[in-house]
Amino acid sequence: GENVEQHPSTLSVQEGDSAVIKCTYSDSASNYFPWYKQELGKRPQLIIDIRSNVGEKKDQRIAVTLNKTAKHFSLHITETQPEDSAVYFCAASLATGTASKLTFGTGTRLQVTL
Amino acid sequence: DTEVTQTPKHLVMGMTNKKSLKCEQHMGHRAMYWYKQKAKKPPELMFVYSYEKLSINESVPSRFSPECPNSSLLNLHLHALQPEDSALYLCASSQALLIGGFEQFFGPGTRLTVL
Repeated sequence: GENVEQHPSTLSVQEGDSAVIKCTYSDSASNYFPWYKQELGKRPQLIIDIRSNVGEKKDQRIAVTLNKTAKHFSLHITETQPEDSAVYFCAASLATGTASKLTFGTGTRLQVTL
Repeated sequence: DTEVTQTPKHLVMGMTNKKSLKCEQHMGHRAMYWYKQKAKKPPELMFVYSYEKLSINESVPSRFSPECPNSSLLNLHLHALQPEDSALYLCASSQALLIGGFEQFFGPGTRLTVL
């Protein structure tokens, strides 16, 4: 089955700095890579995603890059703000029949300090 | 309606109790999912329903029994649980994969405590 590794497990940055979170996946058949933000006690919220036929995607301050050959994908947050503080999960989706399996990375706790 | 809802928000049950978790969506999604999330861990897939049929069971113990009565509803029936089953249970839904559905939208979860 799919295995997703995520680094770092914790990340502390100053407000205004950039943050980068990296993930690797094992199954080359995975074709969809979402990123979720989860605040304490809340549901995971999709913040950006990328499909396997795209190398990069940007949405305002956040961007995701995908290297299919190396099986790496990364989340980049620029101009970080205190409200960016949360746990971020990467995930890889593998299609199986009529459904898809989403395997999550272990999470990165991002703290943005003033 | 663009949300996935779950009831109850919190549930405390004994090891001999029978209870059910409920999930509902009205986005026309034909794939629905149950995940289990322990504290400081990622969500772990338990079950996937596609077009109201069970597509994936991730070797979940039989004390967890899923049910999809119609395309909007997903239940998780609980019986004879163990304290280690205490966790946040998340429901999610997505468009069916056959029509390009990828994005999964999560409900707020049910915080389950087994005494």
